Amino acid sequence: GAGVSQTPSNKVTEKGKYVELRCDPISGHTALYWYRQSLGQGPEFLIYFQGTGAADDSGLPNDRFFAVRPEGSVSTLKIQRTERGDSAVYLCASSLIPGLRETQYFGPGTRLLVL
Amino acid sequence: DQQVKQNSPSLSVQEGRISILNCDYTNSMFDYFLWYKKYPAEGPTFLISISSIKDKNEDGRFTVFLNKSAKHLSLHIVPSQPGDSAVYFCAASAVGYHNAGNMLTFGGGTRLMVKP
Repeated sequence: GAGVSQTPSNKVTEKGKYVELRCDPISGHTALYWYRQSLGQGPEFLIYFQGTGAADDSGLPNDRFFAVRPEGSVSTLKIQRTERGDSAVYLCASSLIPGLRETQYFGPGTRLLVL
Repeated sequence: DQQVKQNSPSLSVQEGRISILNCDYTNSMFDYFLWYKKYPAEGPTFLISISSIKDKNEDGRFTVFLNKSAKHLSLHIVPSQPGDSAVYFCAASAVGYHNAGNMLTFGGGTRLMVKP
């Protein structure tokens, strides 16, 4: 079946602009995670959704970052007033059931470059 | 403060030999550990996991060892194949430690190169 998909695969924007990154999880997966991977580092947790609600957004670096999942499926990560330091690969993952050792399946990521 | 560390950024191994990738952690609340494999331009793919109640888990050519007292785990690949060449991430989680249930804390990764 289809895996986690993310669009766009690449996004180049200018400093100060607004961007939206989309994640389409595996059908039926209730848990959805966003991670950010900077060059040469491992993925870092940003936010976790259980259904439609953000169960934990403690990894979001500041209030320029926001994410939604209005219908409990597709999620959008929104970044306002982008900065060069936001350049990274943004990874989305989903799992069938949250918090029960369920395997997280990752999408290919969106590579964001802020000029 | 990095809670999960992979101190070797790269490892080169001859085909057919054993690859050993190491990972150290500092948070004693971690009780579940995973290894992910990542090819370029793809997302991480789950490889193998181990619960803290075990010290070894084996799946085909892949074996993960956990030493809780040393807060150390390792991934053994035997025999190594050229297709194993990728970046390997160690990750850890702790039920109840964080609101995020299965939130993963990753190491920085080790790039494995298996030479034919």
